[in-house]
Amino acid sequence: EVQLVQSGAEVKKPGDSLKISCKGSGYSFDNQWIAWVRQMPGKGLEWMGNIFPGDSDIKYSPSFQGQVTISADKSISTAFLQWSSLKASDTAIYYCAKGSTYEGGVLALWGRGTLVIVSS
Amino acid sequence: EIMMTQSPATLSVSPGERATLSCRASQSVSHNLAWYQQKPGQAPRLLIYGASTRATGIPARFSGSGSGTEFTLTISSLQSEDFAVYYCQHYNSWPPLTFGGGTKVEI
Repeated sequence: EVQLVQSGAEVKKPGDSLKISCKGSGYSFDNQWIAWVRQMPGKGLEWMGNIFPGDSDIKYSPSFQGQVTISADKSISTAFLQWSSLKASDTAIYYCAKGSTYEGGVLALWGRGTLVIVSS
Repeated sequence: EIMMTQSPATLSVSPGERATLSCRASQSVSHNLAWYQQKPGQAPRLLIYGASTRATGIPARFSGSGSGTEFTLTISSLQSEDFAVYYCQHYNSWPPLTFGGGTKVEI
């Protein structure tokens, strides 16, 4: 079964660092794009960026460039999203999603999401 | 950056009725348009890609049409499990990928 398993919910304080994960299984992790998508409370979907694990090619949204770091470790079939200094406005659900086999921009399979709460 | 605009924001429909959702791109995205469904408390799910191709396992009551800047998602006969928020997203010459603001289909 093809699936993406995301790490669990996090509660952090402003200024903390954080790294969340997304582990793929049941498919060739190296060869398909992984996207990260933010959903703030009660709001819509925002694309943050994509990574191609095979060569670590990364595409960032201009809105998130410099605010987060996307990475992947293909040896453990896992993609990561990290922050060096969280803000309250980073409170959201973060989804990873796998690009389709033929088109990386089609988000064919989604993880269940990681809830990140940033509060003092 | 290509902007995606969905209308209406909320659509009130009775079970068994037809629902028509619209998505407009600020410039042509050809057929590079996907639709997603998100139910409360769940992750989004891919419904349609290539503007009109149903994803695996998606019922035939869901259909997509359009090209260029104007797109439509039609649900031919709404079932109780179809009440959700629907998002369009373009993937033409990405990055970036851009989502519309969503249409909530409610009873």
